[in-house]
Amino acid sequence: EIVLTQSPGTLSLSPGERATLSCRASQSVPSSYLAWYQQKPGQAPRLLIYGASSRPTAIPGRFSGSGFGTDFILTITRLEPEDFAVYYCLQYGSSLTFGGGSKVEIK
Amino acid sequence: EVQLVQSGAEVKKPGESLTISCKGSGYTFSYYWIGWVRQKPGKGLEWMGVIYPDDSDTRYSPSFQGHVTFSVDKSLSTAYLQWRSLEASDTAIYYCARRHGDYIGDWYFDVWGRGTLVTVSS
Repeated sequence: EIVLTQSPGTLSLSPGERATLSCRASQSVPSSYLAWYQQKPGQAPRLLIYGASSRPTAIPGRFSGSGFGTDFILTITRLEPEDFAVYYCLQYGSSLTFGGGSKVEIK
Repeated sequence: EVQLVQSGAEVKKPGESLTISCKGSGYTFSYYWIGWVRQKPGKGLEWMGVIYPDDSDTRYSPSFQGHVTFSVDKSLSTAYLQWRSLEASDTAIYYCARRHGDYIGDWYFDVWGRGTLVTVSS
């Protein structure tokens, strides 16, 4: 089973700042089949990124994904107030596993 | 609009059985895998498994195999998650989610239900 480790556990930032979240896999994720989700309190997760770097049309351009192999990054270029949430990575190249999540909180 | 609508919150006692549901609309329900995801209070997401409505092909995560059962009713465009004997540790929110497509590159979940809170307490 591929284990995903997300860091940092919590990131404290101000609106307008840049957020960089990491997702590290215990072994290479086949074909970079990695997705990112955003979850706000009381809501279901929302898909932000798939295939490591592809963005659904409804997702704002300030969200971007990168990486391959075992190291993946989600970047939010300028945090908006609605971006403060918990972010999860999901690998779907070998069965499915979620990372433990990273919380982006207001500083 | 593509939607997954889940059944309402449940409160049960240990040892009781339970079935919760997830109804799809706005797309051809039979041809998209439905997954189930658990989220314990204050914790992260755990993949439980998936079911293909057209033929009920089912894949369980090893962590959940034998403890839950997935089923579907294609005529109702509804997927079900069933427990025969609940435990207190089953207390969680359970989400259903649609897999984007059949090809492995599309195996991420693109549409989610709002979740069903299951509370198991004596």
